[in-house]
Amino acid sequence: GAGVSQSPSNKVTEKGKDVELRCDPISGHTALYWYRQSLGQGLEFLIYFQGNSAPDKSGLPSDRFSAERTGGSVSTLTIQRTQQEDSAVYLCASTSAVEQFFGPGTRLTVL
Amino acid sequence: AQSVTQLGSHVSVSEGALVLLRCNYSSSVPPYLFWYVQYPNQGLQLLLKYTSAATLVKGINGFEAEFKKSETSFHLTKPSAHMSDAAEYFCAVSDQPGNTPLVFGKGTRLSVIA
Repeated sequence: GAGVSQSPSNKVTEKGKDVELRCDPISGHTALYWYRQSLGQGLEFLIYFQGNSAPDKSGLPSDRFSAERTGGSVSTLTIQRTQQEDSAVYLCASTSAVEQFFGPGTRLTVL
Repeated sequence: AQSVTQLGSHVSVSEGALVLLRCNYSSSVPPYLFWYVQYPNQGLQLLLKYTSAATLVKGINGFEAEFKKSETSFHLTKPSAHMSDAAEYFCAVSDQPGNTPLVFGKGTRLSVIA
């Protein structure tokens, strides 16, 4: 079956612009995670959804970052007023039990 | 708080040689442990997982890992390296998989020399 998909695969934006990153989880997976992968920082947790609720937002680095999930399915991560330090690969994962299945990621470059 | 330490950011082995990637964890509760592999420009793929069953876990592509509670380790091994094994490997820990995020190590880049 289809895996986790993310769009766009690459995004180049100018400093100060807003961006939206999309994640389509595996159908039926109730939990969804966003992680950020950047050079020197490894993989960092951003936010976790159970259904449409986000019980853990502790990894969001600032109030410029927000995320939502609708219909227990698609999730969107929004970064407002992007900064150069936001440049990274943003990974989405979904799970119904133990294993997290990861999407290919969105590579964000802020110029 | 949980944490994962991967010793060696870069490991280089000859084709056919033993692969050993080290992972040590800290956790206040019995952990669930994972090894993921990431090929260039791709997402993470699960190699294997430990979920409190057998301590020796076999995964895909000939990899295996042994959970050693006394050493708080979960090292990844493969008897004979292939060129196709060249990738980034991540060890991760969770205390409630499915309900809590994974905590990842910094990763180890494996190079395989012909």
